[in-house]
Amino acid sequence: AQSVTQLGSHVSVSEGALVLLRCNYSSSVPPYLFWYVQYPNQGLQLLLKYTSAATLVKGINGFEAEFKKSETSFHLTKPSAHMSDAAEYFCAAGRTYGGSQGNLIFGKGTKLSVKP
Amino acid sequence: DVKVTQSSRYLVKRTGEKVFLECVQDMDHENMFWYRQDPGLGLRLIYFSYDVKMKEKGDIPEGYSVSREKKERFSLILESASTNQTSMYLCASSPKLSGVKRTAQYFGPGTRLLVL
Repeated sequence: AQSVTQLGSHVSVSEGALVLLRCNYSSSVPPYLFWYVQYPNQGLQLLLKYTSAATLVKGINGFEAEFKKSETSFHLTKPSAHMSDAAEYFCAAGRTYGGSQGNLIFGKGTKLSVKP
Repeated sequence: DVKVTQSSRYLVKRTGEKVFLECVQDMDHENMFWYRQDPGLGLRLIYFSYDVKMKEKGDIPEGYSVSREKKERFSLILESASTNQTSMYLCASSPKLSGVKRTAQYFGPGTRLLVL
């Protein structure tokens, strides 16, 4: 079955440090891929999406993600963490088969903490 | 901007009560979704709808039903609430387009339901 795996349920970085959140997908066909962010007690906000137009995707708030087909990965990065980046991040993939093709499959999420 | 609203941010109900969670979107989207979010489990799809009067079961439909009488409104119904339905419920919508525009979903702020 198609799946999305996020490595690390919690990631802690210092303010100003590099942020790297990992996401791997399983699919015989590269799916559409997304990163969402959820701030406490809020819904999910779309950060960025991969559409196959370019392997490096830029999103909001300085985040970007690189699609690597050979590694079936779509890791999220930000060069310099801000305190306001503390949130939970979800990687998602569009289903590539079946009657619910196009529906999203979510990873379990990674909570990012930023230390001053 | 896409606006998805949910009728309540917080709800407290008793076991056995019938519970209605309402979701409204103002972007004329055809597709609407209901998820529940639990710590460590990510988002799980309960039901979705591609059109008015139409509904499809997601991954965890047991104990839930839905109603879609109007395009902009998608209701989630807990016929007889149980304590294991205590969770965060998220509604989302997406347009009936092809490709990535159809797959990218826009989320409401969520309803945190506590069943006592």
